[in-house]
This record gives sequence, structure tokens and C-alpha cells, in this order.
Amino acid sequence: DAGVIQSPRHEVTEMGQEVTLRCKPISGHNSLFWYRQTMMRGLELLIYFNNNVPIDDSGMPEDRFSAKMPNASFSTLKIQPSEPRDSAVYFCASTLRGTYEQYFGPGTRLTVT
Amino acid sequence: DAKTTQPPSMDCAEGRAANLPCNHSTISGNEYVYWYRQIHSQGPQYIIHGLKNNETNEMASLIITEDRKSSTLILPHATLRDTAVYYCIVSFPSGGGADGLTFGKGTHLIIQP
Repeated sequence: DAGVIQSPRHEVTEMGQEVTLRCKPISGHNSLFWYRQTMMRGLELLIYFNNNVPIDDSGMPEDRFSAKMPNASFSTLKIQPSEPRDSAVYFCASTLRGTYEQYFGPGTRLTVT
Repeated sequence: DAKTTQPPSMDCAEGRAANLPCNHSTISGNEYVYWYRQIHSQGPQYIIHGLKNNETNEMASLIITEDRKSSTLILPHATLRDTAVYYCIVSFPSGGGADGLTFGKGTHLIIQP
């Protein structure tokens, strides 16, 4: 298995631009998570889905952030408009409900100038 | 806020056992203890989890005190590749790992040659 796939691996954009991060979970997994990591705040859960349905989005920092999971094999995290404080590494993770291990992708390093 | 307390950093000599402590004095009866690690520039990686009994797998051993207020992760023969930040997390098992994880600051373990 290829593991959790994230794209792009690096993204540099200017303030005000729209940014879309993508995630392909491990085949057969039915839960998907988006996390953000910064030096100041560490690793934070943004949102997670069970069976493609958003369950808890209380970690989404503000309305500029949105996430979708149109099917079991794809999810997006969108930031519109982006701001310099959104600069961080964004991780996607997936798991199969009933198991205990979350599998993390390699992350997308976002830099907003 | 994370419900665990870990030392910010630890050193261990290569080939020796690394013992990483974690305090979780407010853990509830059905919360599990999970350990993840994050090697520099990579996504977090699951290591082990436990409820009451000690657990061992190919990566590590987990020792949980009888009152469950603390635990120790043991890497029996540390190698340079074990240098990473280690996170101790307590979480309800609903759906196994299918709820979002709350990461604290973790312990930066440095293996010395």
C-alpha cells in the first residue's frame, strides 16, 4: 500500500490567494483527519470525517478554512483567502474504525507570503 | 489542552534502553494511552497503545501503572533512527483511533552515538 498520499508536498502562495490541499487516504479506511502543525501551537486537529461525513470541525480556525470529502478516496482542505499566519505543515491521516492506529501522510508545507 | 505531561527532552545512549515517562493523572476509566512519534520532517507514526495491562510489540513496550495515572514507553535497544519527538496521548476508544487525537508538546528523545 502506498500509504496516505498528500499533494502538493510544498506550496508557496501570496496572501489573499486560494489554496487547496489534497489527500488520498489508505484504501479501505473510513475515517480521515486533517491536522496542522506550527512551532507555536504544535499539532492540532482541524476536522475529521467518518464515512465521508464531517464529524467534528471545531478545530477549523475560521470561516476561511473549509474541508470536503466527496468520496472515500479523496479529501480537500481549502483556505480562501490565505494569510501569512496560515503558514504551517498540514497533515492528513486515515484509519479504519475499530482499529487503533492512525496513519499519517507526509504533510504539505504551506508558506503564505 | 493535552491531558498528559511529558519531559520536554531526554538523551539516551545508542544501544541502551530508552524509558520515556508520561503522567496522565486525570485519565478516565475507559481512556486508552497511545504513543506516537514524529521523526523530523515526517508525519507522526503510531507506536503502541494500552488500557490497563502492559503491552509489547515489535517497536516498544508500554508499562502502565496500576492506578493508570502514569505510563512509560520503553525502546529496548535505542538506535540513532529513534531520535524523534515522542507523544503520549490519552483518548477514548470510540471506533478505536477514529476520533481525533490531541497532541501535547511531547518529549524530544535524542539518541547519542
